[in-house]
Amino acid sequence: AQKVTQAQTEISVVEKEDVTLDCVYETRDTTYYLFWYKQPPSGELVFLIRRNSFDEQNEISGRYSWNFQKSTSSFNFTITASQVVDSAVYFCALRYSSASKIIFGSGTRLSIRP
Amino acid sequence: DTEVTQTPKHLVMGMTNKKSLKCEQHMGHRAMYWYKQKAKKPPELMFVYSYEKLSINESVPSRFSPECPNSSLLNLHLHALQPEDSALYLCASSQILGNQPQHFGDGTRLSIL
Repeated sequence: AQKVTQAQTEISVVEKEDVTLDCVYETRDTTYYLFWYKQPPSGELVFLIRRNSFDEQNEISGRYSWNFQKSTSSFNFTITASQVVDSAVYFCALRYSSASKIIFGSGTRLSIRP
Repeated sequence: DTEVTQTPKHLVMGMTNKKSLKCEQHMGHRAMYWYKQKAKKPPELMFVYSYEKLSINESVPSRFSPECPNSSLLNLHLHALQPEDSALYLCASSQILGNQPQHFGDGTRLSIL
């Protein structure tokens, strides 16, 4: 089965707290790509990161960091020192090499309280 | 502002109306996509165009008719829609059909009366 699971439906934290969004994926392919997108209330999906299956290096971009672990089929996303502007729905997504489309997880709604 | 522009931002139409959604990008991308997103759900792929040719149709009802007049434009023609078609319709583009990131527009919020 090819699947993305985001078990956390909603998360609410106070500003400046760190928060981790979980993503677990399933695929039979050895070559695949993982993505994170942010969807603010305005509606557009904003691309955050792409990671291919052969690159397990973790990545940091400002307050955002991603932890890719093939052993546990996880691609978790951490926001450090969260801000109110981080409030959005975050989608993890998978594209496996033999497919032409992206499979999205169900999304995690993140609310950052001032 | 996104680099994929969708118009209109909001559309209310009756079930007998005919309308079109428009999507435009000037990034030189050769793959363009239509997604449908219901509230509190992830986007669902509807159509994919690659080099102006329809590449994927995810068994979408014929009341939705896509059109790609050129490499920068993607339309979605709507006719005889049902109330359950009310949703956010998102357009996206990527450099080519492959593993490049897709860039999304703001979407059109469609309500069917």
